[in-house]
Amino acid sequence: DAKTTQPPSMDCAEGRAANLPCNHSTISGNEYVYWYRQIHSQGPQYIIHGLKNNETNEMASLIITEDRKSSTLILPHATLRDTAVYYCIVRLPNTGNQFYFGTGTSLTVIP
Amino acid sequence: NAGVTQTPKFQVLKTGQSMTLQCAQDMNHEYMSWYRQDPGMGLRLIHYSVGAGITDQGEVPNGYNVSRSTTEDFPLRLLSAAPSQTSVYFCASSYPLTGGNSPLHFGNGTRLTVT
Repeated sequence: DAKTTQPPSMDCAEGRAANLPCNHSTISGNEYVYWYRQIHSQGPQYIIHGLKNNETNEMASLIITEDRKSSTLILPHATLRDTAVYYCIVRLPNTGNQFYFGTGTSLTVIP
Repeated sequence: NAGVTQTPKFQVLKTGQSMTLQCAQDMNHEYMSWYRQDPGMGLRLIHYSVGAGITDQGEVPNGYNVSRSTTEDFPLRLLSAAPSQTSVYFCASSYPLTGGNSPLHFGNGTRLTVT
């Protein structure tokens, strides 16, 4: 699986959009990009995933660059409850669902 | 649905003791896996299973055994606990396996301390 690079930490003001970047320059054509988050020491929570097109759901938006070498997770109106560690993962389909997590980005939402 | 249920939530063991961490899911997921998470680190894959009767090793399998006799359950066994196995353990599942892009659903973890 391709490796990912994320900044170790970021701050965001409450109510503003949080934009979390991820580099995956060695991604191959059929690898999906997934985002999870982990609040305190709870189990990671699935947020969103995509292959080529931008995706949006009730939690967030995922913007994938045209060359697919990087992506951005957007939380449109960050709240204090969005303070968490965010993980960007790339994974081949049909590989037994082996997800390899890095160290993620610790997002702090500031009142 | 209860989702993915892990028991116990907390456990303290002495070096050399054995124990089994339980994981059960009620979503009829084919795929189940175990991760460990150490302070300041991401999750590392220990073992995984793509269906009943089938298991395989992940990144850090040494010191752990697994079996998958039913779709619902995927226990993780520590045969002789060591202090290096002090960690938080997460179980995860996913369905369907085919189709390729199913997200993982995680339990809330078991916090294990080995003294």
